Amino acid sequence: QSVLTQPPSVSGAPGQKVTISCTGSSSNIGADYAVHWYQQLPGTAPKLLIHANNNRPSGVPDRFSGSTSGTSASLAITGLQAEDEADYYCQSFDSSLRGSVFGGGTKLTVL
Amino acid sequence: QVLLQESGPGLVKSSQTLSLTCTISGGSISSGDYYWSWLRQPPGKGLEWIGNIYYSGSSFSSPSLKSRLTISVDTSKNQFSLRLTSVTAADTAVYYCARGGSNYPLDYWGQGTLVSVSS
Repeated sequence: QSVLTQPPSVSGAPGQKVTISCTGSSSNIGADYAVHWYQQLPGTAPKLLIHANNNRPSGVPDRFSGSTSGTSASLAITGLQAEDEADYYCQSFDSSLRGSVFGGGTKLTVL
Repeated sequence: QVLLQESGPGLVKSSQTLSLTCTISGGSISSGDYYWSWLRQPPGKGLEWIGNIYYSGSSFSSPSLKSRLTISVDTSKNQFSLRLTSVTAADTAVYYCARGGSNYPLDYWGQGTLVSVSS
């Protein structure tokens, strides 16, 4: 049972937009701790996609964006491409656990 | 370009101790600018934070692993290490080291190393 809750899977056709939700609580996202998002392609290490809620590292396309509201965060991907098919994870800090917490991961399928 | 590389045995017997080292290149663990973290991912499952350490040796561990876990740093070798005692099959996973942690993003990751626990 992950501290942050994500849908197990989402899907969309090429060119469409999808959003992945990440629901936390008052001890993590709701306490204004930063949310980070990672993309994990099959057989590879996770890659930082969004940091501090809505910031893209250099090299990440602007098709990827993040947002937060209350105890939740979202990752939006516009103009879906086949190469976006991967697992996506959200991460934050939890003051009760005094450490990093992750969502269970969401598998994105590009139809 | 910061590179991290995990090293250690790929097979550990049940009840014994799992030890891994992460070697950093392209950056200094002593710079004091970052936490350094260990994470793991059981086969087919999600990511789990294990713990992190600062160059000073100050470390933080997952409550579920704290009683079995030691994280240490060797600034002279630009490395940090993980030691997990009394392992069981539930500790079988790909283990990753990464730069960052706590409230900060994990921006550089090692390639990961699979550790299997055998009975």
